[in-house]
Order: sequence, then structure tokens, then C-alpha cells
Amino acid sequence: EDKVVQSPLSLVVHEGDTVTLNCSYEVTNFRSLLWYKQEKKAPTFLFMLTSSGIEKKSGRLSSILDKKELFSILNITATQTGDSAVYLCAVFYGQNFVFGPGTRLSVLP
Amino acid sequence: DAGITQSPRHKVTETGTPVTLRCHQTENHRYMYWYRQDPGHGLRLIHYSYGVKDTDKGEVSDGYSVSRSKTEDFLLTLESATSSQTSVYFCAISESGYQETQYFGPGTRLLVL
Repeated sequence: EDKVVQSPLSLVVHEGDTVTLNCSYEVTNFRSLLWYKQEKKAPTFLFMLTSSGIEKKSGRLSSILDKKELFSILNITATQTGDSAVYLCAVFYGQNFVFGPGTRLSVLP
Repeated sequence: DAGITQSPRHKVTETGTPVTLRCHQTENHRYMYWYRQDPGHGLRLIHYSYGVKDTDKGEVSDGYSVSRSKTEDFLLTLESATSSQTSVYFCAISESGYQETQYFGPGTRLLVL
């Protein structure tokens, strides 16, 4: 069964648009949720979330976690072509760590 | 960038041959991980290590073994490579496990013919 689901799987927008990427999970003994950005290389860390309702922010990117509804969102405002990448959500639960399939974001000029 | 290197970066091998991939870190982090990444499956954990000589299986460990004799090195071995093991392999490290961010190496692209 899929423990971490991301939506949409693919998204095409134009520069300047705002996007919201979703990550929902169904695990026991949740510990943390992480967002990564992956271009044509290794994933790079964006955010780690452990508490509900506390927004993490870095420039045009922000993320928040809802532990009651078991999901997180990643927002990107004023998108740029350099934001084109696959965005990965990962969840730590118990002693396990699982990634979602990723959302492929393409930002057109 | 975290000091993580992987070798080789690219490898082509034949079915049935043994293959060893190396992950080397200069961060002195306790935890090291091996993942494979395939289209449609995302990143999947193969094995991880929580200290020298301490390893455990991940989600897709069949056909793989690992060893960690030094803090800085984590080896992944395919005893007898199969075409289904064609993939991109990433090593990652974290300082103290699940509450810490994982930093990824550059990846090894493996093709098994």
C-alpha cells in the first residue's frame, strides 16, 4: 500500500504563477516529514516538519504540516524557471523512512 | 554541500557479475543510507547503517548486502547483478537518524545488461 502520496504527479505553470504541492501520508508512529528538491542530480533538502501548524519559510518557498489530517503542502510563489524540478516528500515513521513518488514541476518562461 | 562522494559514478556490467558501490563521507555522521531511484517508484531504501558494523534492511533489500567497517565508508554489494537492479543508486547521510536531515551523494548510475 502507498504510505506517502503526492499530488499532482506533474504540473506545468508559467513564470510568476503560484503553485501548491501536496503530500499525504498514512503511517503509524509518525516522526517527521521532509521536502526535497531534485533537479538532474541528487535531492537537496528544503524543509523538515515535525509540528502541526508551524509554517517553515525560505524565500519564495513555504511549507506546513497538518498532523491531524496527515498531510503537508509546499507552496512556491512567483515561480521561476529555476524552480523546475521534481519535489519529493519523505516521511519518517518508527524506524522507517519512505519517499513519495514526487511531483514534477515545469515552469515555462 | 555535505562531503559525500560515491564511486563509481557510472557502471555497466553484465548479469551475474558481482558489483560493489562505495559511499564515502567526510562529515563523521553516524547514519548512512543506500537508496535506489527508478521511474514510477521514487526513492526506495535498500539498507541503512546506524554505526560501524551496525546495519539494517530497508524496503527493497533482496539481492543486496552492505558493509560498514569504518565510519566514513558504506559499501553496497550486488552479489550477482540482475537486469532489475539497473537503477540510479544514491547514498545519504544523517547525523543522528530520523530527526535529522539526510544529505545525498551525487548518485551512481548502474546498467546491468
